[in-house]
Amino acid sequence: GIQVEQSPPDLILQEGANSTLRCNFSDSVNNLQWFHQNPWGQLINLFYIPSGTKQNGRLSATTVATERYSLLYISSSQTTDSGVYFCAVPHGGSQGNLIFGKGTKLSVKP
Amino acid sequence: NAGVTQTPKFRVLKTGQSMTLLCAQDMNHEYMYWYRQDPGMGLRLIHYSVGEGTTAKGEVPDGYNVSRLKKQNFLLGLESAAPSQTSVYFCASRRVGEAFFGQGTRLTVV
Repeated sequence: GIQVEQSPPDLILQEGANSTLRCNFSDSVNNLQWFHQNPWGQLINLFYIPSGTKQNGRLSATTVATERYSLLYISSSQTTDSGVYFCAVPHGGSQGNLIFGKGTKLSVKP
Repeated sequence: NAGVTQTPKFRVLKTGQSMTLLCAQDMNHEYMYWYRQDPGMGLRLIHYSVGEGTTAKGEVPDGYNVSRLKKQNFLLGLESAAPSQTSVYFCASRRVGEAFFGQGTRLTVV
């Protein structure tokens, strides 16, 4: 089945710094999602981004489907950005469930 | 519009006890899923449903059963809980494209 790899696994930033998180996937996909799991465990939808670039405030994401990767950019990081960031792509079969990477754990220090 | 709602949020069970987790969505989505999240493992699919009255096994179905009697509800049952089922459980739903997750249920089996 499709494999999803995220890097780096851990990232520590000082407040105000910028960062780039990467998601590689092993097969062609027709959509991709980025999630933020906050310290309370909630999974928050960040982007639904099959291809191209989207922006939402300080966050933006780019998916290059032909090269099988996606990037999540966080600018001017804040302590509230801490948590785990997951990317997920759909299973190739008819059930349509998402296959998740193992996540990038981000810690933003004040 | 509540999205995806899981009940309960927390539960402690003794080994051998049974329980049912309820997932309700108000977005008229066809597809619904149950995942479990364990430390360092990301999210893994337990069971899924592609429509009312249908269910199917996912990646880690052993020890769980599901039912989808109504389109808006997807129930996950544990008939005889085991310590290995200690985990955080997430329900998700989608129609076409973007998936949305509930807030999670933290289950501890002692």
